[in-house]
Amino acid sequence: DAKTTQPTSMDCAEGRAANLPCNHSTISGNEYVYWYRQIHSQGPQYIIHGLKNNETNEMASLIITEDRKSSTLILPHATLRDTAVYYCIVRVLLRGSTLGRLYFGRGTQLTVWP
Amino acid sequence: NAGVTQTPKFRVLKTGQSMTLLCAQDMNHEYMYWYRQDPGMGLRLIHYSVGEGTTAKGEVPDGYNVSRLKKQNFLLGLESAAPSQTSVYFCASTAELGSYNEQFFGPGTRLTVL
Repeated sequence: DAKTTQPTSMDCAEGRAANLPCNHSTISGNEYVYWYRQIHSQGPQYIIHGLKNNETNEMASLIITEDRKSSTLILPHATLRDTAVYYCIVRVLLRGSTLGRLYFGRGTQLTVWP
Repeated sequence: NAGVTQTPKFRVLKTGQSMTLLCAQDMNHEYMYWYRQDPGMGLRLIHYSVGEGTTAKGEVPDGYNVSRLKKQNFLLGLESAAPSQTSVYFCASTAELGSYNEQFFGPGTRLTVL
């Protein structure tokens, strides 16, 4: 019952921008969109998050559509080290709790080639 | 800061054996989580804790027990290991409840049950 939909895989040439799409059509008004990545079975690593405005940090940019039903993670100059599984996540409330947790679907396998 | 650490990194068990996985964090986080990840899958939540002395079930708790006797440690126990518990186990922690919920992950424990 993932709340997000992502392509299974994508590839990108080194040095080019990688644009990873995500659909989250059932997102609630106060839920953030998070992006994490997982490199070669390491622990997931936080990339960026946003609510409704576009966000940018040293790793990536996040573009969220005005209706908040989809977003795109942009790696502006992909390197070989960016090859990883990228997870687009919205917070899911744990049953009977106000505690939210991040629901990890299968993500997008991004392969950056030389 | 070491962040989130997990011990051991690898373990092989025989069916029916027991073991405990240790997660430690030095960030003074209140909330801690145990996930498992099977090949080609996202992470699934086993148990979580909202503070010292408290634990709760996630989405796949059967066959596991947890304890949070100290704020910085979260232990995951397998009383009688089964081959279906072969997986990579990740621990995570986060500071605050709320809409912004960056989780910090450990490096994982790779467990094989024969």
